Amino acid sequence: DGGITQSPKYLFRKEGQNVTLSCEQNLNHDAMYWYRQDPGQGLRLIYYSQIVNDFQKGDIAEGYSVSREKKESFPLTVTSAQKNPTAFYLCASSIKASGQGSQPQHFGDGTRLSIL
Amino acid sequence: GEDVEQSLFLSVREGDSSVINCTYTDSSSTYLYWYKQEPGAGLQLLTYIFSNMDMKQDQRLTVLLNKKDKHLSLRIADTQTGDSAIYFCAARGGYQKVTFGIGTKLQVIP
Repeated sequence: DGGITQSPKYLFRKEGQNVTLSCEQNLNHDAMYWYRQDPGQGLRLIYYSQIVNDFQKGDIAEGYSVSREKKESFPLTVTSAQKNPTAFYLCASSIKASGQGSQPQHFGDGTRLSIL
Repeated sequence: GEDVEQSLFLSVREGDSSVINCTYTDSSSTYLYWYKQEPGAGLQLLTYIFSNMDMKQDQRLTVLLNKKDKHLSLRIADTQTGDSAIYFCAARGGYQKVTFGIGTKLQVIP
């Protein structure tokens, strides 16, 4: 079945350490997104990519980095510069980021990151 | 930027109808979406409506859109305990950006 796979489901980070969250999709979607979810704050956009080898900052990009070397993969690195990284991270994809049609975003099951 | 607002909590009895409300600010929003999130999981797309429609029905789900007031609602008929979850409203506005509401937690009482 087509879908979005995020791994790992739970991740622990030590102070000063970078960690990378994986997101893979086999939906043949062009656009991919990373969101952060905190209790009582809904979803906030970290980064998005409309096409391979291109990505843009979202609303809260500081302390995060991404790459988009392959259409199906959009890993997110949480760097040591992110001072409050504990959150639930959600990856999503859509056929395109812009243009006609409903183009809803489809989500993975998320990765919960905690600080040790 | 666009704001999407929802109430935080709704409690209903099993078998009753649930109505979850949402307001948005960008009058140029084209598509409006409803997502469901169960504990520890991602968001599941439930339904969406195009801005030139005022109603869409899909089995137990009815979406109503009042474009003049920028108000969207999701009605769940015959609410079941399995409907307990957080429901997110989202609007696709200017520059095709999708903005999510804060989520409404629906509690279904048996």
